[in-house]
Amino acid sequence: EAGVTQSPTHLIKTRGQQATLRCSPISGHTSVYWYQQALGLGLQFLLWYDEGEERNRGNFPPRFSGRQFPNYSSELNVNALELEDSALYLCASSLPSGGLNTGELFFGEGSRLTVL
Amino acid sequence: KQEVTQIPAALSVPEGENLVLNCSFTDSAIYNLQWFRQDHGKGLTSLLLIQSSQREQTSGRLNASLDKSSGRSTLYIAASQPGDSATYLCAVNTGGFKTIFGAGTRLFVKA
Repeated sequence: EAGVTQSPTHLIKTRGQQATLRCSPISGHTSVYWYQQALGLGLQFLLWYDEGEERNRGNFPPRFSGRQFPNYSSELNVNALELEDSALYLCASSLPSGGLNTGELFFGEGSRLTVL
Repeated sequence: KQEVTQIPAALSVPEGENLVLNCSFTDSAIYNLQWFRQDHGKGLTSLLLIQSSQREQTSGRLNASLDKSSGRSTLYIAASQPGDSATYLCAVNTGGFKTIFGAGTRLFVKA
């Protein structure tokens, strides 16, 4: 069974550009979570999608946005890129839990975004 | 507000040693606690999940315990190997909107 897959593996952008990162959850998982891990820092919660809806977002500016598609895959968009957006972006998925965040998390390998 | 702390921040041990990693959390009302391994620059690999009603979980050389009343969890690694070198993260799920991660313990096992 395939795990959580993320693309691209690496992405290089310049300041002001937009980046789009993609995530496919494990089959049967309806919740998708996005985390940012900047160099030397811990995981910072970005967004949680469940059943196609945004359930919660972390303390990030509105230029960080995303969506979840009917097949439960998700994309994260970062507009007006800044140098400090350089980080590893991790996606996780979990089984349905009635709209609650209660399931075991399974992570992908991440997308490394570098902003020059 | 739930806070998760991991001690020590870094640990270096000789191969074969048994070791314990610590995780503490401030709010005992948790749904579950999960331990992860992260190799440098890679994603997180789930090691063990302990539900709030459980006291411990075991997988191979790994054993994780949970004491909700004291707000503590430990990850015990038996007979450590160089391949165990990685960062170990604990994550607390309060059943709310997000899972809270500790900063991790960076483990180095010397051959």
